[in-house]
Amino acid sequence: SQTIHQWPATLVQPVGSPLSLECTVEGTSNPNLYWYRQAAGRGLQLLFYSVGIGQISSEVPQNLSASRPQDRQFILSSKKLLLSDSGFYLCAWSNGLGNTEAFFGQGTRLTVV
Amino acid sequence: KQEVTQIPAALSVPEGENLVLNCSFTDSAIYNLQWFRQDPGKGLTSLLLIQSSQREQTSGRLNASLDKSSGRSTLYIAASQPGDSATYLCAVHYTGTASKLTFGTGTRLQVTL
Repeated sequence: SQTIHQWPATLVQPVGSPLSLECTVEGTSNPNLYWYRQAAGRGLQLLFYSVGIGQISSEVPQNLSASRPQDRQFILSSKKLLLSDSGFYLCAWSNGLGNTEAFFGQGTRLTVV
Repeated sequence: KQEVTQIPAALSVPEGENLVLNCSFTDSAIYNLQWFRQDPGKGLTSLLLIQSSQREQTSGRLNASLDKSSGRSTLYIAASQPGDSATYLCAVHYTGTASKLTFGTGTRLQVTL
């Protein structure tokens, strides 16, 4: 069966520090991978998605970047965090076809102080 | 603009009641619609996926319907239990959006004893 792992679960970082959140998927090949952010009182916002190794699409201009160094690994990064980067970050995957179910990780609560 | 709206934002019911959560979307050109459950501080758990060609899906006490022409979906929960307390999110995969899900802001459900 397929599983998705996301870590860390919580993170407190000072303003201006770097960020690296990691997500890996097991049990499937060539998944579509996604990073979403959930701000308090708002819906989930798609940040990045990837349909293959090295292929990254950005949905909103921001202080963050994403990379996909391996087929089932997706990384969210920042060189210098801003206070506004605080939020709940969720990684998700679906298979390469359009009409398929999406599955989410357990999320990372990021607080920038 | 492709949007998803969920009403009500919050709902409190006594244990044993049947209840309906509502989701509306602005564009009928969809691949599918997915219902999720989110417990506080946790990731999303997929409950039901309805393809655009389907009218409803059932899983245990849950039944989701889809009416594309009116841009509506409902999630019916039968015989509610305190363990059903969570936030329920509706997400739509609009066509031409590369597997991106557009989320509503959710309905926070509390089932009381």
